[in-house]
Amino acid sequence: AQSVTQLGSHVSVSEGALVLLRCNYSSSVPPYLFWYVQYPNQGLQLLLKYTSAATLVKGINGFEAEFKKSETSFHLTKPSAHMSDAAEYFCAVSVTTSGTYKYIFGTGTRLKVLA
Amino acid sequence: KAGVTQTPRYLIKTRGQQVTLSCSPISGHRSVSWYQQTPGQGLQFLFEYFSETQRNKGNFPGRFSGRQFSNSRSEMNVSTLELGDSALYLCASTPGTGNTEAFFGQGTRLTVV
Repeated sequence: AQSVTQLGSHVSVSEGALVLLRCNYSSSVPPYLFWYVQYPNQGLQLLLKYTSAATLVKGINGFEAEFKKSETSFHLTKPSAHMSDAAEYFCAVSVTTSGTYKYIFGTGTRLKVLA
Repeated sequence: KAGVTQTPRYLIKTRGQQVTLSCSPISGHRSVSWYQQTPGQGLQFLFEYFSETQRNKGNFPGRFSGRQFSNSRSEMNVSTLELGDSALYLCASTPGTGNTEAFFGQGTRLTVV
């Protein structure tokens, strides 16, 4: 069965430091993978998606993620954290069920940016 | 292009009551999915509707139900509310065919007292 694991429910970084949020997936078929961001009391906003094209995917707000099949990972990075990046981040995998697609989300990582 | 619209944004209900939440998907999208988000359980899939038919269902009790109208708008209903139903309920829309990202509404914050 497909699943998503996010390591670290809380991550703190200093402003200007590298952001690294970890996501590992389990999938028996080539997955479609997504990263979403959620600000307090808001819905989820798509940051980026992997759809089996380039393994390095660039998203909005300077974020990018690299698909590594050998490690079954899809970690999210940003070279320099900004205060506005403080939010909760969700990794998700899209799986097929009887010909339809269903999204499985990780448990989320709350990013705190320290001044 | 308008995004996914959920109404109301906030609700306070009493235990035992029922509640109906509404979701209008992006124009042209035929699939609407509902999720419950709580601090302890994260995002949990409730159900998905496509062309007025429930296509997928999560592991929730029968008190949680939904429907979809011919214009793709969807409602979810929770009957006999319990304190544990307090959560952010998120709606997501997709075209319904092909593997694409889901577009989320801002959610409805339900508080059961």
